[in-house]
Amino acid sequence: GDSVTQTEGQVALSEEDFLTIHCNYSASGYPTLFWYVQYPGEGPQLLFRASRDKEKGSSRGFEATYDKGTTSFHLRKASVQESDSAVYYCALSNYGSSGNKLIFGIGTLLSVKP
Amino acid sequence: EAAVTQSPRNKVTVTGGNVTLSCRQTNSHNYMYWYRQDTGHGLRLIHYSYGAGNLQIGDVPDGYKATRTTQEDFFLLLELASPSQTSLYFCASRTGDEQYFGPGTRLTVL
Repeated sequence: GDSVTQTEGQVALSEEDFLTIHCNYSASGYPTLFWYVQYPGEGPQLLFRASRDKEKGSSRGFEATYDKGTTSFHLRKASVQESDSAVYYCALSNYGSSGNKLIFGIGTLLSVKP
Repeated sequence: EAAVTQSPRNKVTVTGGNVTLSCRQTNSHNYMYWYRQDTGHGLRLIHYSYGAGNLQIGDVPDGYKATRTTQEDFFLLLELASPSQTSLYFCASRTGDEQYFGPGTRLTVL
């Protein structure tokens, strides 16, 4: 079945550091890829999506590029802020699946120190 | 913007207890979902529905029932709660390919 792998369970950075969170996927066809962000005490919310090879999604200074060749959708930000501290989930939706189900990675807890 | 609310926000019950978690969305989305969130597992789909009276089985359905009574309301039922069901539960609704999540219900089964 379809799956999403996030290799970093936790990332600790200082403000203005560069962020990379790795996301690799396994799916047939052309899934849509997502990054969701979850702030403390809230539900996840969509950060951005990409649905085609080489498409770049971006929002709030975060970006990721859909790479079908390496089956990756790595999240990057050039300069993180304390307010970016949250859990980040990579997810995919394969329109061949019933209900357009989202398959989530395990999530990455980002902690940014001032 | 989509609004999804959940109640209660926190619930404590004992093993074997009967629990109902409620979810309401106010934007008339067809699809609604129930997830559980656990460290090391991320979000896992329990059940989902594409309209009133419809129920579809998710990826981790054992021990859970669900019912969609109206377009707005989706309930998750634990009829014999077990400690393994201690978790943070999220409801979501969907329009297009974006899911909108509620604030979650933290359930503790003692």
